[in-house]
Amino acid sequence: QLQLQESGPGLVKPSETLSLTCTVSGGSISSSSYYWGWIRQPPGKGLEWIGSIYYSGSTYYNPSLKSRVTISVDTSKNQFSLKLSSVTAADTAVYYCAIGQFWGQGTLVTVSS
Amino acid sequence: DVVMTQSPLSLPVTLGQPASISCRSSQSLVHSDGNTYLNWFQQRPGQSPRRLIYKVSNRDSGVPDRFSGSGSGTDFTLKISRVEAEDVGVYYCMQGTHWLTFGGGTKVEIK
Repeated sequence: QLQLQESGPGLVKPSETLSLTCTVSGGSISSSSYYWGWIRQPPGKGLEWIGSIYYSGSTYYNPSLKSRVTISVDTSKNQFSLKLSSVTAADTAVYYCAIGQFWGQGTLVTVSS
Repeated sequence: DVVMTQSPLSLPVTLGQPASISCRSSQSLVHSDGNTYLNWFQQRPGQSPRRLIYKVSNRDSGVPDRFSGSGSGTDFTLKISRVEAEDVGVYYCMQGTHWLTFGGGTKVEIK
């Protein structure tokens, strides 16, 4: 059973880039045909898909965020990462990484000066 | 974009009674590969979402058999045969046929 853990700064200034990493344990990230994804949840609100990267290396992003998002994978470290540029207060949310049915516990990122 | 509409928004249920949540998509969720990528998630208070059902009606490992999913095309349903206290939380449908989108959520609470 895979375990996922998000890590990164909990506070990001407006206009800067949010960077998060998801570290996978309990199995090799490259041994599956899963896709790896990022989802976020603003405080008190619902879930929003940010984007996904597939085993093939193909990436797919939410059209509303596409111009600001980059998702990458480092199989040697069993990690995948999220970068979201030009953040505003509207990007304040709990950010989750997920592989199929397995989700991390989430990390709260606050955008504030 | 595919819009996922859940109803009701709030569902008060008596312990031991059944519960049903509806999810409708703005377009068919039948993929070109023949599969229908409609999942259901449970989010208990203070926890991360947990997938319960994948591809309409398949229960994930460890999910009690009181949870069941059904539907086709654009109309889908999650049913809980007998609600228990641990079922309190918000339930989301999610489609994975046309990128990914989530429904707005249904809050299940005990009367």
